[in-house]
Amino acid sequence: AQKITQTQPGMFVQEKEAVTLDCTYDTSDQSYGLFWYKQPSSGEMIFLIYQGSYDEQNATEGRYSLNFQKARKSANLVISASQLGDSAMYFCAMSSTGYQKVTFGTGTKLQVIP
Amino acid sequence: NAGVMQNPRHLVRRRGQEARLRCSPMKGHSHVYWYRQLPEEGLKFMVYLQKENIIDESGMPKERFSAEFPKEGPSILRIQQVVRGDSAAYFCASSPPIGVFGADTQYFGPGTRLTVL
Repeated sequence: AQKITQTQPGMFVQEKEAVTLDCTYDTSDQSYGLFWYKQPSSGEMIFLIYQGSYDEQNATEGRYSLNFQKARKSANLVISASQLGDSAMYFCAMSSTGYQKVTFGTGTKLQVIP
Repeated sequence: NAGVMQNPRHLVRRRGQEARLRCSPMKGHSHVYWYRQLPEEGLKFMVYLQKENIIDESGMPKERFSAEFPKEGPSILRIQQVVRGDSAAYFCASSPPIGVFGADTQYFGPGTRLTVL
């Protein structure tokens, strides 16, 4: 069974500052993928970034980067230069490679302060 | 290139009625997934389908819920005799066939908000 833990129910960050959203995971699988999704107040789920368990480099997508520490089983999301539009719920998720059922964490609500 | 489409976006039903939720995957995607999000919670996996096949329905309640993905047309999540506890957001996601670039990533539709009165 897979488990995702997000210990920060809510976070505040000043506009233009960087913020790290924590995510730890538990799995017995050797090959898996880690994801982050953003859910704004409008409700849709927006894919942000993907990290494969065998990828040696941390994934980056624009202002998003995934700080992947395999030995610690952590996959933190770093958002650089926060913008007001970044205010949303952020979900960490994972799936086993080749088996695409995705397990989600409980989410972190990020609020960006002007 | 249209994303995952879901309709309706909002659905109101009275207890005992049936709810039908539709999902059209992204072009070229052959895998469809349904998730449920209760208020203030994360998404919970319900069912994984390929065309005309249910691959994994381990997250779907045994009674009243069913899903299909026919050869032609959208995937349908059907809830019979709805109860108040079925009120939630239901998300559909799609992904390319395994082996195709990007197959590990699921792309979500906007969701259907079901309210049971």
